[in-house]
Formats: sequence, C-alpha cells, structure tokens
Amino acid sequence: DTGVSQNPRHKITKRGQNVTFRCDPISEHNRLYWYRQTLGQGPEFLTYFQNEAQLEKSRLLSDRFSAERPKGSFSTLEIQRTEQGDSAMYLCAGGGSGVNYGYTFGSGTRLTVV
Amino acid sequence: EDQVTQSPEALRLQEGESSSLNCSYTVSGLRGLFWYRQDPGKGPEFLFTLYSAGEEKEKERLKATLTKKESFLHITAPKPEDSATYLCAVDSGNTGKLIFGQGTTLQVKP
Repeated sequence: DTGVSQNPRHKITKRGQNVTFRCDPISEHNRLYWYRQTLGQGPEFLTYFQNEAQLEKSRLLSDRFSAERPKGSFSTLEIQRTEQGDSAMYLCAGGGSGVNYGYTFGSGTRLTVV
Repeated sequence: EDQVTQSPEALRLQEGESSSLNCSYTVSGLRGLFWYRQDPGKGPEFLFTLYSAGEEKEKERLKATLTKKESFLHITAPKPEDSATYLCAVDSGNTGKLIFGQGTTLQVKP
C-alpha cells in the first residue's frame, strides 16, 4: 500500500467511449500529478494540481482530456471519445510541500482501448 | 528543453555482479534529481532524491551519486529481487513536475 490509491486498476473500453479514473492521495498531499506511461517509456507529465487549483497542463492533454480535484482531495481524470492511442498506464502521484520531497505514485490504471 | 537520457536500456547481471546505471540530464535549473524503481504492472517506487553535485545517498545495495551533468545508480552485489526497471527523473520548474528518462531494465540472474 503506497498510500495513493487509484481505481480502477484496469479498464478495457471500446473506441469512442468515455472513461473516468480516480486517484485518492493521502491527506498530506497538497500537490497531485497525473502522468501517462506507455510500454518501454518513462512516465510523461499530464497535469498538476496544487490543492484544488489546476496549475499546469501538458500539451499532451488534448481537449478530450479533463481533470478535476474538487476540494483538494481526490482527483479524477476523464477521457472523452477514447482513441486507440490513449491506451496506456495512467499514474497519479502525490507530494507534500517542503524541501525534502519524494513523490508517491499510485499503482496506476491500465487503459486498453479496443 | 529539459531532457533526461538513461543508459543502458537493458542490463543483465549475474547475482553478485556489481554495476552502474547512468542518467544524463540537461535542465535549465535543477531543483532535484529522482531515482525510482518500477516493477511490472506497478507504479514507480521512490528511492532517492539528490539536490546538488557531489551528493550521495545509499539504501541497502543501492547508491546514487550526482554530478552537474549526470547521475549514477550503483548496484553492489545485486540479488534477483533487484530485478526491475529503474527510472531517473528531474525537477527543474516551479510546479514540481518530473521529466523522466526511458528507464533501464535490470535483470539479475541467480
């Protein structure tokens, strides 16, 4: 148990369908990040929340992607009209403030678009 | 543009055979360099953060070092349970987002 929980662990969806993933960080994590990882590659940054405010979005995050973090607690990532290229592992990471930080990742949600 | 390159892409070692993994980086201003371990189907597991050239950190059989251009992860007398993908990442901005390398997949054979 890393302290960051992601659901579901796996999601298979048909092309064109909408999907939503959830991330529950630990209470101390005022920073929350979403990353996407494809096979054989390192994670790529998607978006960042400081408490409930979304402060940065990658250009990878097309109009079909939206993320929220209501009340600065859990976060959701929604993909509308999924495409096969969206198939990847979606990772959530939490971190507190301060000098000695080391982000804690969840186990991820594996999305397969068929 | 910030960039992180890891080498080799894959490494096979015999149990007890020490080696090093390399992480070369180009950033505008380094706030921290991170090492993570990732097992198949799981999220990255935090190992170390290094902040300035000359810094070293150790954990069991792992030792991370940092220079102004690269970082090394030294593995001493590895065991099969050290088999995993090791990821290097840098934080160079104000938001704390990490730029990752592609990883080095380590296999340790008994």
